Amino acid sequence: AQSVTQLDSQVPVFEEAPVELRCNYSSSVSVYLFWYVQYPNQGLQLLLKYLSGSTLVKGINGFEAEFNKSQTSFHLRKPSVHISDTAEYFCAVRGGTNAGKSTFGDGTTLTVKP
Amino acid sequence: GAGVSQSPSNKVTEKGKDVELRCDPISGHTALYWYRQSLGQGLEFLIYFQGNSAPDKSGLPSDRFSAERTGGSVSTLTIQRTQQEDSAVYLCASSLEVGNYGYTFGSGTRLTVV
Repeated sequence: AQSVTQLDSQVPVFEEAPVELRCNYSSSVSVYLFWYVQYPNQGLQLLLKYLSGSTLVKGINGFEAEFNKSQTSFHLRKPSVHISDTAEYFCAVRGGTNAGKSTFGDGTTLTVKP
Repeated sequence: GAGVSQSPSNKVTEKGKDVELRCDPISGHTALYWYRQSLGQGLEFLIYFQGNSAPDKSGLPSDRFSAERTGGSVSTLTIQRTQQEDSAVYLCASSLEVGNYGYTFGSGTRLTVV
């Protein structure tokens, strides 16, 4: 079975500050890892994904995430946030014999304040 | 179509009534997924389709829930004898194939059972 834990339910940060949203996963097999973003009153959209290869992956809107196999983590980072980054962020894991099903974390609400 | 389309966008129904939720995936996407999102919670997997087949129905909460997909395209999620605990946002997503592809989500159907 797979599981995802997003360690912070809410992250408030000031504009232009750096941010890290933490995600840990549990799986007995190799996995694919994803971050999705849900802006207010919008649907979820894919931010970035890790499949294999380089452990640092870059996504849209200046976000990046680092896969750490030994710590089973996939934390999302951005060096300088904007007001427009205010949204809910979901980490997801997929892999193994049930490659059709992604397991999502409970989400982290990022609030960027002026 | 250009995106994943779900209808209706909002549905209010009386307890005990049946409802049908529709999902029209991106043209050419062979995989289709249903999730639901309850207030303040993460995404709960319901079922996924590969073509017209459903390899994993493990997430359907009870036998009141069923889903089908026809022609490798449109999918319908049916909830019979709705209960108040069925109130949630039902999300549909599609991907080119099952595997390491990220999902493209629709905007969801907000179901309220009164």
